[in-house]
Order: sequence, then structure tokens, then C-alpha cells
Amino acid sequence: SQQGEEDPQALSIQEGENATMNCSYKTSINNLQWYRQNSGRGLVHLILIRSNEREKHSGRLRVTLDTSKKSSSLLITASRAADTASYFCARGGSGGYQKVTFGIGTKLQVIP
Amino acid sequence: GAVVSQHPSWVICKSGTSVKIECRSLDFQATTMFWYRQFPKQSLMLMATSNEGSKATYEQGVEKDKFLINHASLTLSTLTVTSAHPEDSSFYICSARGPGQGREKLFFGSGTQLSVL
Repeated sequence: SQQGEEDPQALSIQEGENATMNCSYKTSINNLQWYRQNSGRGLVHLILIRSNEREKHSGRLRVTLDTSKKSSSLLITASRAADTASYFCARGGSGGYQKVTFGIGTKLQVIP
Repeated sequence: GAVVSQHPSWVICKSGTSVKIECRSLDFQATTMFWYRQFPKQSLMLMATSNEGSKATYEQGVEKDKFLINHASLTLSTLTVTSAHPEDSSFYICSARGPGQGREKLFFGSGTQLSVL
């Protein structure tokens, strides 16, 4: 199984603060993706980082990948109340378009 | 962007009945779709991979006779929960790989909350 873990499982911060979520995995990957899920809804793709990349930015999102440690982090800067959601990292397996497996997620609460 | 529509959003049914959930790719063709199940406060558990024109590939521990998957066209996959029981109550989500260069990304439906009485 390629399942890893996110930590923390829950995070509560004040609006304007930065939020950092971490993800670890166990086997080799082709890419790592981060998704967001609002309560009771489907997931929305946020950002994809390939195994040969170390850092990627998209708006207020910054993702890093350390393949030697098999870990990734998602940083949300200047958080907003609307960022309140669960965030999942997803491992895209090696060898082309393999299935994507998800971790348990981090539930982020941004307090206005 | 790629849009995936899932219907219904929620369904309540009696034990023993069958429930069909539809997953449609609205503006692209999806040769592969995925069905997930999610329990409260837990991650998504991949149930099966649905391939257009062929049999679905089920994950270990998922009963294929219980969860029937049909992917008859490039834009529609259906999941039928047969003879549903209360333990089948869960949130079911479908996804499809994006078109073209976006194939590594997954686009999700909005999910179906199934409650079996």
C-alpha cells in the first residue's frame, strides 16, 4: 500500500496566520497531489508536484517535496475563513497513470 | 475545466433495496473513473476502477456482486449498491482523470450520501 499519513490530523488557526500540513508516504511516487474537501462535498484538486520537483507555488499555496524523506508539506499563507476544509495529499504511483491513493487528511479550521 | 457531475447528492432507502449512483463527465471523455467510499472523519477508500467498455477492477475486500459498476460510455459510470444494508451507509464519491495533459489530476463529483434504514 502506498498509504501514508498527514499530520496534524486537525489544525485550528486564526485568520491571517499561515497553515502548514505535512504528508508522508511509503513507496516511490510519480507525483504527489494535494486536494481540498469541504464538508460533505467532493474533492477539488489544488496542486500537483512531480517527483523531480522540490517546490511549487500556486497563489497562496506552497508545496514542497522531499523524496529522500518521502514527505511533502502544504503551506497556506495568510489564511482566510474560507480556507476551512479538509486537506488530503494523494500519491500518484510510479509507472504512468496508476491509481491515486489518499491519506487520512488534515482538518483545518480558520477562525475569523 | 473538467467537470464531473454525480447524482443523486443524497439518498435514503430501505434495507434490501438497490441504489444506483451516476457519475458523468460533462465536458470531457473519461475512459477511466474511480469510485471511492468515505466514512466520517476518514480518508477516501478506493473501491474500484471503472474502465469504459470493460469490467471494473475492484480493490481487495470490495464485493463486486454487492457494488456493481457499469461504464457503458465515455461519459458515464454507474455504481449500484445491491441489496443495501445499514452498514452500506456511507459517502460515495466518483472521480475521473482529467483530459489531455491533465490526466494525472482527478476531478471529483460532489458525492452521494447514502443512508440505509
